[in-house]
Parts: sequence; C-alpha cells; structure tokens
Amino acid sequence: NAGVTQTPKFQVLKTGQSMTLQCAQDMNHNSMYWYRQDPGMGLRLIYYSASEGTTDKGEVPNGYNVSRLNKREFSLRLESAAPSQTSVYFCASSDGSRRLHINEKLFFGSGTQLSVL
Amino acid sequence: QQQVKQSPQSLIVQKGGISIINCAYENTAFDYFPWYQQFPGKGPALLIAIRPDVSEKKEGRFTISFNKSAKQFSLHIMDSQPGDSATYFCAARKAGTASKLTFGTGTRLQVTL
Repeated sequence: NAGVTQTPKFQVLKTGQSMTLQCAQDMNHNSMYWYRQDPGMGLRLIYYSASEGTTDKGEVPNGYNVSRLNKREFSLRLESAAPSQTSVYFCASSDGSRRLHINEKLFFGSGTQLSVL
Repeated sequence: QQQVKQSPQSLIVQKGGISIINCAYENTAFDYFPWYQQFPGKGPALLIAIRPDVSEKKEGRFTISFNKSAKQFSLHIMDSQPGDSATYFCAARKAGTASKLTFGTGTRLQVTL
C-alpha cells in the first residue's frame, strides 16, 4: 500500500526553467492538495482539488499551475521557476467525502526538495 | 499574516518530562484543530485532533487542551521519549472548506536522554 507517491524526490532547476511535480494516491481519495514547506513558515497551501475535475487556488498560488489528471493523480507545474520557489513541496490527499468527521485526515507524500538557482 | 500562531519554535525536553506546544488563532470560523507530527525526510502525519465543542482530548501520552474563549489550544506530550523528537505542527480548518488546513509555523522538539 503505497499511499501518496511523489516524484521526483529531489530537483535542481535554473531560474526560468519549467518542471512538473507528479503526485499519485492509491487510496481512492476525492481530495488532493499541494503544500510548500519553508523554514519558519510552516506548510502553506498552493492549490487543491476537492474532487476530480475541480481545482482551486490556495494561499500561495502565484507562479504555479495544477492539473487533476484523474482521481488518482494531481500534478503541480512551475512554468518559469524562480529562486523564491526553492522549497520542499508536499502532495496530500484526503477522503473528502466526510468533511465534518473528526478523524478526517490528510495523508502526505514524502516530499520533493526543489532548489532553484 | 499568520492565522495560526505557534510557539515555541523549538523545545528541548528531558526524557520523561512533559512537552507543551501552544497555538493561538483569530478566526472564529475554524471548526477543527489537528496536530501533525513530522519526522526528518518524511511528510507530516496526523497525530491527534479536536473540535471546539470539547475542552480536552487524550490519546495515550498525547493530549490536546482547547480554550475556545481564549482561542488557544495546546499539545501536551506526557512522559516524553526520544522517539517523540520531531517537528509538530498545529493546524486549523474553516467550517465547510473540506480539509484546507491552515498550519502553524512548527515546533522542533528534541527529547534528550
């Protein structure tokens, strides 16, 4: 049972280059999320997809695009990478069908460490 | 603007001691308050969570205390162990927003022998 799988684990880009971070989950979850983690700033939501076919901006969407390819996959694209996008990126998923349930939880992948030079 | 303020930034506790991490929020629309635990090189994982209609929730050595009037909540780790050494994040969710969580800035806990 893989859970949430992110690729790649590490990436170094030059300013202006583009790349796509891939995420897949095998838990049949409806909702998926992309967060970035920076020292002293916690985790900040970039984009999320409440269900297949929908996406919405989170707290820090500028410079990113997403695609919910199907129920399993949710990708994050950097069109023109900037040094400010150096961060650790986490994909997460949740059941999404029981929003008010106390035990609903996010399942996180192990992250992608991205450096933009 | 940090909607969920977490303190301290780092904490060192001796084995067997009590670790306490505090969080405060402003938005009264938050209705769900989880804590996540993150080990180095891993993604965060849900540790324990509470809704504002209760003042305390306990799971093993981990307890959340919730003060609705003060808009504060805290995580207490009793009998802290070296294996508890990790980064802890508090979070909050607005009612009706699926699991769009707003996270605190994190507390790095080190439990020494």
